[in-house]
Amino acid sequence: QMQLQESGPGLVTPSETLSLTCTVSGGSIYSGTYFWTWIRQPPGKGLEWIGYIYYTGSTDYNPSLKSRVTMSVDTSKNQFSLNLSSVTAADTAVYYCASQIGYSYSWGPFDSWGQGTLVTVSS
Amino acid sequence: QAVVTQEPSLTVSPGGTVTLTCGSSTGAVTSGHYPYWFQQKPGQAPRTLIHDTSNKQSWTPARFSGSLLGGKAALTLSGAQPADEADYYCLLSYGGAWVFGGGTKVTVL
Repeated sequence: QMQLQESGPGLVTPSETLSLTCTVSGGSIYSGTYFWTWIRQPPGKGLEWIGYIYYTGSTDYNPSLKSRVTMSVDTSKNQFSLNLSSVTAADTAVYYCASQIGYSYSWGPFDSWGQGTLVTVSS
Repeated sequence: QAVVTQEPSLTVSPGGTVTLTCGSSTGAVTSGHYPYWFQQKPGQAPRTLIHDTSNKQSWTPARFSGSLLGGKAALTLSGAQPADEADYYCLLSYGGAWVFGGGTKVTVL
């Protein structure tokens, strides 16, 4: 069973960049099966899809966040990362990394999730 | 960006049946939206119940089923149990971007 673990600062200053890393264990980030995904959840609110990155570096982002989001993969460390720039209090949320299975013409489950990490944007 | 709508809350009696729905502001939900259903309990990460409209995971109880119903994606819970009390989210694909519904809080009472 693959395991994912988020890491990064729990407090970010407004207007700065939020940076999180997800470390994958029990599986390879090189796997062509998975789309490495970030999802967030503001306290007491619903889920929001941020985007995903494929091992090739190909990405898709939420259009509402696209201008501020950058994702990357580090195959040497079996990690993928999220950068969200120009943050405001509205970006305060629990951030989850997850692995979404993708097939040639369909999609499979999100079969592994990190435990989530709370990032607070405040001065 | 599309808006995905769910009932904010539903209540079901133990042993009863409830259907949650997931609609799209762009029109009818189809299999091409690859509908997902997630269950989330307090303090936990979501877990996939259904993917691609009706496909269950190995951990999905048999009492949950997914379908398309009246232009929406639907999650039916038949024989509700207290353990099913949770928030349920749907997720739809819009050609490379994905959008979550606002979630449905299911109470078993």
